[in-house]
Amino acid sequence: QKEVEQNSGPLSVPEGAIASLNCTYSDRGSQSFFWYRQYSGKSPELIMFIYSNGDKEDGRFTAQLNKASQYVSLLIRDSQPSDSATYLCAKRGASKIIFGSGTRLSIRP
Amino acid sequence: DVKVTQSSRYLVKRTGEKVFLECVQDMDHENMFWYRQDPGLGLRLIYFSYDVKMKEKGDIPEGYSVSREKKERFSLILESASTNQTSMYLCASSLGHSNTEAFFGQGTRLTVV
Repeated sequence: QKEVEQNSGPLSVPEGAIASLNCTYSDRGSQSFFWYRQYSGKSPELIMFIYSNGDKEDGRFTAQLNKASQYVSLLIRDSQPSDSATYLCAKRGASKIIFGSGTRLSIRP
Repeated sequence: DVKVTQSSRYLVKRTGEKVFLECVQDMDHENMFWYRQDPGLGLRLIYFSYDVKMKEKGDIPEGYSVSREKKERFSLILESASTNQTSMYLCASSLGHSNTEAFFGQGTRLTVV
């Protein structure tokens, strides 16, 4: 079982709708979680991080963490064409950071 | 701004060559990481370092080694390059706390022929 699992997509969402990205993890000891966005040919850039159960909101982005069920999600409201990218979920333990394989999101006009 | 700089953007090497990929960060970060990224496989951790001269294997260390003689510099070494090591290599750094994110370099596209 992979430490961090994501559906590879592609996930196609109409412009203006809510995009929902999900991630599950296998290690209950994982302490914090990150969502990165990666445009084609570019390096990953951080969008959100979350370490407490519940929701964390930043602009159009909301991260949700449920440690009991071992999943993390990212909601993108009012999706824009510029949100089309690969979204990487990552978990962090004491030192290392492990990434999922990423979900490709496509926002259609 | 945090800056993580990788020495080369593109690199072409021959099978059997010893290859050095260099990474430098300017924010006094304790942790540094080397990942490789392949289509459909995401970022896979090769090695990481949590302090000078300290290193730990990641998920796919075979065929690689690393060196961290100074805090700001983390080198990835391919002892004898093979074609299956053709990939995008990404270096990252972070503070040593569990609630801090990693910052990435621009990546090195390595092709082994």
